[in-house]
Amino acid sequence: GESVGLHLPTLSVQEGDNSIINCAYSNSASDYFIWYKQESGKGPQFIIDIRSNMDKRQGQRVTVLLNKTVKHLSLQIAATQPGDSAVYFCADRPNNAGNMLTFGGGTRLMVKP
Amino acid sequence: GAGVSQSPSNKVTEKGKDVELRCDPISGHTALYWYRQSLGQGLEFLIYFQGNSAPDKSGLPSDRFSAERTGGSVSTLTIQRTQQEDSAVYLCASSFKPSHEQYFGPGTRLTVT
Repeated sequence: GESVGLHLPTLSVQEGDNSIINCAYSNSASDYFIWYKQESGKGPQFIIDIRSNMDKRQGQRVTVLLNKTVKHLSLQIAATQPGDSAVYFCADRPNNAGNMLTFGGGTRLMVKP
Repeated sequence: GAGVSQSPSNKVTEKGKDVELRCDPISGHTALYWYRQSLGQGLEFLIYFQGNSAPDKSGLPSDRFSAERTGGSVSTLTIQRTQQEDSAVYLCASSFKPSHEQYFGPGTRLTVT
């Protein structure tokens, strides 16, 4: 079936730089998108979400951008810190699939001091 | 307040044995989800409970897998006659309502030897 995928499996950035993690989705019926952060040995932690009627949403140091034309989702982290090192997952929810989320394979973000 | 808790945190079992994994969702959350995460992989949906409705079992990989949710709160995921390919981290999540964000527990790491 259709799924969410990620462009890069590993992203290495310098501390203080901005990070951009990309995600492509294929289900045009998806109406809700979410980013999770997973640190080693822990469960995924909610970062930010966005609904399909929006193209940008900002949180604390994070911004999610949604481009429905090309079915692309990105997570931007400003002034990346060592504590941001983790695996980041995007997920989408097709509007005909109840509340079931479909997760991508994850991108590992490594922050160099 | 308390988050989603899971027990045990680690479980090692012999091939062919049955295992039970427990999830305590956040109090008041009506929706509960089970996911499986293989090493270095994304999250695979298993089953979804919402209130008193029949669960969505569409993600269960075989009839060796089953889950219950008693009293609309605690859930147990049972794997019968475990196989080595069942080795993974089993994650539970809950949400206040189906359309709300999902909060994840720390997971149970299952190793089948």
